[in-house]
Amino acid sequence: QKEVEQNSGPLSVPEGAIASLNCTYSDRGSQSFFWYRQYSGKSPELIMSIYSNGDKEDGRFTAQLNKASQYVSLLIRDSQPSDSATYLCAVNILGTSYGKLTFGQGTILTVHP
Amino acid sequence: DTEVTQTPKHLVMGMTNKKSLKCEQHMGHRAMYWYKQKAKKPPELMFVYSYEKLSINESVPSRFSPECPNSSLLNLHLHALQPEDSALYLCASSQDVRLNTGELFFGEGSRLTVL
Repeated sequence: QKEVEQNSGPLSVPEGAIASLNCTYSDRGSQSFFWYRQYSGKSPELIMSIYSNGDKEDGRFTAQLNKASQYVSLLIRDSQPSDSATYLCAVNILGTSYGKLTFGQGTILTVHP
Repeated sequence: DTEVTQTPKHLVMGMTNKKSLKCEQHMGHRAMYWYKQKAKKPPELMFVYSYEKLSINESVPSRFSPECPNSSLLNLHLHALQPEDSALYLCASSQDVRLNTGELFFGEGSRLTVL
């Protein structure tokens, strides 16, 4: 089992819809969870971090964390074509060295007009 | 504008060449990272420096040699690379690895092609 798994893409949604991106992780003791966005040919950019169970909202983005289910998700409301990118889930796996993030394989999101 | 600056943006080198990638940040961060990213794959950690000391080496071949001259600068020296080393090399920084967060600031990357 991979340590961090993301729902297989690509994911295509119409403009204005809600895009839902999912991620599961294997280590129950993991503490910190992140969503990075990467446009084609660009570097990753941190868009959300979440450390506690529940929801965290930032503009059109909502991160949801459920540690009991070992599940973290990212919702993008009112999706725009500019949201089309690869979304990477990243986790600090308990027991790994400080500074080491484990990334999922990424989900490609396409928002079509 | 990114606050982590990488040079060069593109580099083509032969297998016998020696070259260096450079990274600079002025955010006062005390942790700096090198990642390698192949097409359609997530970033793969290579090295972590914490307070200018190497803290993680992910079993990277010795043809890659990192250097951290001071808290703002990070270099990656390249020698005798193989074509399969062609990739996007990303530098990143974070406030302090001891905080154990994954809040990384990435540079724009250096796209390396090895002929």
